[in-house]
Amino acid sequence: RKEVEQDPGPFNVPEGATVAFNCTYSNSASQSFFWYRQDCRKEPKLLMSVYSSGNEDGRFTAQLNRASQYISLLIRDSKLSDSATYLCVVNSNYQLIWGAGTKLIIKP
Amino acid sequence: GAVVSQHPSRVICKSGTSVKIECRSLDFQATTMFWYRQFPKQSLMLMATSNEGSKATYEQGVEKDKFLINHASLTLSTLTVTSAHPEDSSFYICSASGVSSYNSPLHFGNGTRLTVT
Repeated sequence: RKEVEQDPGPFNVPEGATVAFNCTYSNSASQSFFWYRQDCRKEPKLLMSVYSSGNEDGRFTAQLNRASQYISLLIRDSKLSDSATYLCVVNSNYQLIWGAGTKLIIKP
Repeated sequence: GAVVSQHPSRVICKSGTSVKIECRSLDFQATTMFWYRQFPKQSLMLMATSNEGSKATYEQGVEKDKFLINHASLTLSTLTVTSAHPEDSSFYICSASGVSSYNSPLHFGNGTRLTVT
């Protein structure tokens, strides 16, 4: 089992829809969690840190479920510009472990 | 916000030559810098972690004599791909953290696309 797993997608979603990503991790002692966005042929950019209490930034909501060992990212009212690959990152034993990413394609 | 500058953004070189990639933190002191490689349609793969003033720690399977990393100051780390081969063609990305804590998110350079002919 991979340390961090994501659905590879791609997710093809109509504009305006809500889309959810899940990311599972294997190390229960993992300490911190992040979502990054990566556009094609570009570097990853931090989207959100994920806090235990859950956090929201505009149309984006991130949640952490320690009991089930997963983090989620919800995008509401999706825009064409949301099309990208979304990567989850888990700090596990002082190493940053990257998921393989989920590709999102927003269709007009 | 924190800015990391990576140079060059794109390089094409002939097989057997060496290529140096620079990574600079512009508005903070980077105690730790990370070098990643990403092949098409794959996730980031950590190559090595470097701390200022000490030797880099390489991930398993990464040849330290081929990928030379120097982190001589708190604002600059370099990756030199020595005797490059076509299979070294990839997207190389550096990232930096201003504190020695993995609880802080990383700031990435804009990457270097290396093509070895």
